[in-house]
Amino acid sequence: GAVVSQHPSWVICKSGTSVKIECRSLDFQATTMFWYRQFPKQSLMLMATSNEGSKATYEQGVEKDKFLINHASLTLSTLTVTSAHPEDSSFYICSASKRERSSTDTQYFGPGTRLTVL
Amino acid sequence: AQTVTQSQPEMSVQEAETVTLSCTYDTSESDYYLFWYKQPPSRQMILVIRQEAYKQQNATENRFSVNFQKAAKSFSLKISDSQLGDAAMYFCAYQKYNNNDMRFGAGTRLTVKP
Repeated sequence: GAVVSQHPSWVICKSGTSVKIECRSLDFQATTMFWYRQFPKQSLMLMATSNEGSKATYEQGVEKDKFLINHASLTLSTLTVTSAHPEDSSFYICSASKRERSSTDTQYFGPGTRLTVL
Repeated sequence: AQTVTQSQPEMSVQEAETVTLSCTYDTSESDYYLFWYKQPPSRQMILVIRQEAYKQQNATENRFSVNFQKAAKSFSLKISDSQLGDAAMYFCAYQKYNNNDMRFGAGTRLTVKP
């Protein structure tokens, strides 16, 4: 199997506070994890690529000081939205890359976290 | 830059019928991977099917098959014997070989009519 979990699934916070979202690969080790953002009725937009033990690589236009990513182990990556504002409200999805038998990597996705900033 | 285009924002199909979802992509690479993901109302992304560009044979997974035309940079998904549970958003995705960076199309919302 290849199961990826996210916690929390839903969070509401006040403007100006920080929120941490966890992404875990439950039954495999993932050297690489990804964070996506999805607005309603839109596609997934890659925010950053997270490699275990190294700094994340952010996509153009994504503020690295606002979206802090930590990949502390082969099964856990966290995304912290700092000083959240209403425009940060969105659906955040993580994925973890698993090396398949064919030696290619497949991304398996978490169930997502809905963030609402009041 | 690689781009993925899904030209059908919405599609509908009668239960038990067959439907084809279109996807085209732009790349200068010769080796890459293509995917179809399903996102039901729960919003959990589910891998439907994967195709390696170096393979000429079209991938199949039970009722799901693809028509991969490398020269035309086309990667369509055929769903046979459609079921109510197939109703979802379907995203086509491109991934470079040896690079986990994945790019998604805008998605196609599939409705299955009973």
